[in-house]
Amino acid sequence: GAVVSQHPSRVICKSGTSVKIECRSLDFQATTMFWYRQFPKQSLMLMATSNEGSKATYEQGVEKDKFLINHASLTLSTLTVTSAHPEDSSFYICSAAGRLAGRQETQYFGPGTRLLVL
Amino acid sequence: RKEVEQDPGPFNVPEGATVAFNCTYSNSASQSFFWYRQDCRKEPKLLMSVYSSGNEDGRFTAQLNRASQYISLLIRDSKLSDSATYLCVDGGSQGNLIFGKGTKLSVKP
Repeated sequence: GAVVSQHPSRVICKSGTSVKIECRSLDFQATTMFWYRQFPKQSLMLMATSNEGSKATYEQGVEKDKFLINHASLTLSTLTVTSAHPEDSSFYICSAAGRLAGRQETQYFGPGTRLLVL
Repeated sequence: RKEVEQDPGPFNVPEGATVAFNCTYSNSASQSFFWYRQDCRKEPKLLMSVYSSGNEDGRFTAQLNRASQYISLLIRDSKLSDSATYLCVDGGSQGNLIFGKGTKLSVKP
């Protein structure tokens, strides 16, 4: 099946530092990638939609200057959490929109990045 | 606000049991729906798409009722490995997935 990788899988950083998370689609070219955040015992919440070669579309309440998204190629999108604070500690998951043979188009998820800000 | 509502459970069932989950969605314009499975501290993985005509994949059957705006998932002959959180997902009308909070299933020996 489709494979989406994410790096790093977990990161611990000090408050005020910036953290960069990479999301790659390995099996297919993804014109659209999505970034989600999941707090403990909560559902995944969409943060932004990233289209290759254009600016990301952010969901209401998500600060675009704090969560910088770059989608420079059809297989790579990056999320940078700038000046991270403890309340940014969460599970960040990316996904890539694609369609496998015989299946309806949907999103395939990366393994997630667990961020802990001290 | 577009939402997906699910019973959080947990559903505790013995091995071999049949269990059914329902979820409701609020966006009548949505065209596609999915069930994802999420294991503890892992990413969601696509279990199956949900079609209006209903679809079956082995022990799993998914159905969509557009008139009542609900989706169901039936698991037959439950296995221990089926223990997970099942996420009902509205594919939305613009391609953005809207997740329910999930229903936790625990299958016991």
